[in-house]
This record gives sequence, C-alpha cells and structure tokens, in this order.
Amino acid sequence: DAKTTQPPSMDCAEGRAANLPCNHSTISGNEYVYWYRQIHSQGPQYIIHGLKNNETNEMASLIITEDRKSSTLILPHATLRDTAVYYCIVRASDDYKLSFGAGTTVTVRA
Amino acid sequence: DSGVTQTPKHLITATGQRVTLRCSPRSGDLSVYWYQQSLDQGLQFLIQYYNGEERAKGNILERFSAQQFPDLHSELNLSSLELGDSALYFCASSVEGGGTSTDTQYFGPGTRLTVL
Repeated sequence: DAKTTQPPSMDCAEGRAANLPCNHSTISGNEYVYWYRQIHSQGPQYIIHGLKNNETNEMASLIITEDRKSSTLILPHATLRDTAVYYCIVRASDDYKLSFGAGTTVTVRA
Repeated sequence: DSGVTQTPKHLITATGQRVTLRCSPRSGDLSVYWYQQSLDQGLQFLIQYYNGEERAKGNILERFSAQQFPDLHSELNLSSLELGDSALYFCASSVEGGGTSTDTQYFGPGTRLTVL
C-alpha cells in the first residue's frame, strides 16, 4: 500500500521553478521524506531528504508542512536535463529499503 | 556518477539459463541493495547485504540469490530464467544499513537483462 501520492505528470518551462507536490498523510514520527529521480532508465539519483525541517542543497529545496502530511520539492531553475520521473518516498529510520511508487513524470519544455 | 558500478550493462540470454550480475559499492559503503525494475512492477526491493551478511529481504524469488564478498562487492544470481525476469536490475549502496538519517542509498547505472 502506497504511503505517498504524487500527480502522475507535470510540465514546466525551462528556467522556471518546478514545484513537485507529494502527499503523505499517514506519515509517522520516525519517517523521513526522500526524493529521488530517474532519468530515462538510468539509476535513480538521490536528490534530498528531510524529517520535519525544510532542507536545501545544490540540487533542490524540500518544503515539509508543519503537520508533515505533505511536502514540495522545488527545482529552482528547471533545465531540460531535469526531465525525469521524480519519486517521493517515505521511509522509516529503521527501514532498510526504499519503496518506490509510480512517481511524477516531469517534462521540462524549452 | 554515483560511484557504484555494475557489470555487465546489458545481458541477453535464453529461458532456463543462469546469469550473474555484479555490483561494486562506493568506497567505504558497507551495505549493498538490489532492486528490480520491470515495466509492470516498477522499482522493487529485492535484498540487502550489510558487511557480508544478509540483512533484509524483499520480493525476491527463490530462483534468485545474492551474496556479498569480503571486499564488499556483491553478486546477484538469477537462475532458471523466465521471460518475465527481463528487467533492469539496480544495485545501490550506503554507508550503513538503515537506522540513521545519513543512510542515503546511491544507485548504480543498472544491468538490463533480456530473456528470450
């Protein structure tokens, strides 16, 4: 049973910010939110993760709502190379595996 | 480049055969994970090894087995292959094996297996 809900697809314009939503209304206190992406059958690429605070790294920002029931991944300036399937994953701190859902297919258009 | 290497990149074989996929984790990582990605099942966790020992098992068939060697590389053995085993097989590695917020998994480029 899926722990996250993501829109199946979204488009964004090159150079604009891409905001990718994820719902995880049943998240528990010890569960982290992870984001990975997969570019055309390549290995999934780690983007960012967080527990309850907002996080930022060189790739993206992760905004988690105060009740932790949803989050948004922000790609600040999308490029064509950001076209990929983006996976939002909820993972407990004592869970060894990553459980991938269907993800969101993001298409960046020139 | 994640630092995880997998060989071979492509493998074509026939039903009933046996193949071995190889994975070398990032330097310093003790855990290796295997995932299968097929068109109808998506990315699914198969098995995890930590420092040579099996730690967790997912939806791995009995025809499949894995091991992690003293140098920490891992092999996934697939036997009595069926058409439905055609998929991408990914290996990932992490420093530890779960339990800490820093335990991020980094994926290799994958092996594409085609069973004819």
